[in-house]
Amino acid sequence: DVKVTQSSRYLVKRTGEKVFLECVQDMDHENMFWYRQDPGLGLRLIYFSYDVKMKEKGDIPEGYSVSREKKERFSLILESASTNQTSMYLCASSFPWYFGPGTRLTVT
Amino acid sequence: AQTVTQSQPEMSVQEAETVTLSCTYDTSESDYYLFWYKQPPSRQMILVIRQEAYKQQNATENRFSVNFQKAAKSFSLKISDSQLGDAAMYFCAYRSATTGTASKLTFGTGTRLQVTL
Repeated sequence: DVKVTQSSRYLVKRTGEKVFLECVQDMDHENMFWYRQDPGLGLRLIYFSYDVKMKEKGDIPEGYSVSREKKERFSLILESASTNQTSMYLCASSFPWYFGPGTRLTVT
Repeated sequence: AQTVTQSQPEMSVQEAETVTLSCTYDTSESDYYLFWYKQPPSRQMILVIRQEAYKQQNATENRFSVNFQKAAKSFSLKISDSQLGDAAMYFCAYRSATTGTASKLTFGTGTRLQVTL
C-alpha cells in the first residue's frame, strides 16, 4: 500500500555538501510538494510541481532547488548544505493528498 | 496570503475525555477547504477530517468533529472519548478552492496532544 516514499528516513551531511532528497509517488499524481517542518513553525512550503519539468517556488525556496524529470519523482536539492537547513523534510503528492514518511536531515 | 494560527502548542487530555483543539485562519477568499491532519510519532501525516467552506454543516468522522465558524474564521477540532492512540501532533491546514487541485496546503504551527491514563 505504498503511496509516497522518500529515499532516506535519516540523513547526516556536512556543511557545503550537495544534498539530494528523493520522493517517489505511485498514484500518477500531477502535483508534488516539498515541505520543511520545524518545531514551532509548522510545515512551510519550499517548492511544488504541477507537472513534469514544471516547478514553482513556495514560501521558503532560498537555498533549495528541485527537479522533476518524471511524473512519479520529485527531487529536492540543497546545492550547498548549511546548518540552518537541519530539519525534517516532508514530501507530498496530490490529488488527493498523501504525505511521505519524512527525512530527518542533519547538517553538521 | 492565507495564514493559519494554532494558539495551543501543547494540550493534554485524560483517556475517555473530550478535548478541543483551536485553529483560526485569515483569508480574503470565500471558497476554500479546511483540514485537520494528525502526525503520530512515526511521522506519517494522516488526514483526520476536512470541511468545505460552502457547507454550513460541521464535518464529523467517528470521534472527531469540527466547529466551523466561517464568519469568525475559526475551525476547531473536538476529539471525543480520547484514546491513547490519539496522542500526536495535530495540524490545521487551509487550501484554496479557486486554483483547482494544484493548490497548496497552508499549515498552522501544530498542537501536540498528550493523552494520559
